[in-house]
Amino acid sequence: SQQGEEDPQALSIQEGENATMNCSYKTSINNLQWYRQNSGRGLVHLILIRSNEREKHSGRLRVTLDTSKKSSSLLITASRAADTASYFCATDEIPAGNMLTFGGGTRLMVKP
Amino acid sequence: GAVVSQHPSWVICKSGTSVKIECRSLDFQATTMFWYRQFPKQSLMLMATSNEGSKATYEQGVEKDKFLINHASLTLSTLTVTSAHPEDSSFYICSAQPGQGRGYTFGSGTRLTVV
Repeated sequence: SQQGEEDPQALSIQEGENATMNCSYKTSINNLQWYRQNSGRGLVHLILIRSNEREKHSGRLRVTLDTSKKSSSLLITASRAADTASYFCATDEIPAGNMLTFGGGTRLMVKP
Repeated sequence: GAVVSQHPSWVICKSGTSVKIECRSLDFQATTMFWYRQFPKQSLMLMATSNEGSKATYEQGVEKDKFLINHASLTLSTLTVTSAHPEDSSFYICSAQPGQGRGYTFGSGTRLTVV
């Protein structure tokens, strides 16, 4: 089942620009995770942010979480053509079901 | 890092036949594995949760007799698509959580085409 929405559904930018993707969810969560998927491939875990955290960084990635608004954002700075992929947020809901519920995804294209 | 190996990557089968997809956790034990289905340009939809040594839990609308799941060991879960039809053509992905509070590890996916 899908937890919520991702915005935008598709994003096209030039190399070097920043890309921001947003995710909204509906229930209380333990944590929120972002994944990347190259076309026709499995998902790769990018970053996990816990419900008591507000911001987290990993390399060129910056994730924010606003539990009052039930939303998160993923910022990719200084984008590269190799960042072209689909990006999904996924929530680990309360009560803990040890499962992930995915958003609809954002298809990012970075033009060289 | 934790790895989930999924095979086959790609399979074409005739209508009416059955296809088995395997997922193995290579360097951790997975008491639970998750099976997803993904249509082109769409998100992942959870089909079922596979539990080692017990019956799988299926999501609403997923036919358990059509999508047979076996989780016989702590490192292996299989999904068998029985009597496959063209509408079963899709991308199937498994995942497992290598540790509490950690990100999930996904298999590389299986693209099933039923002709």
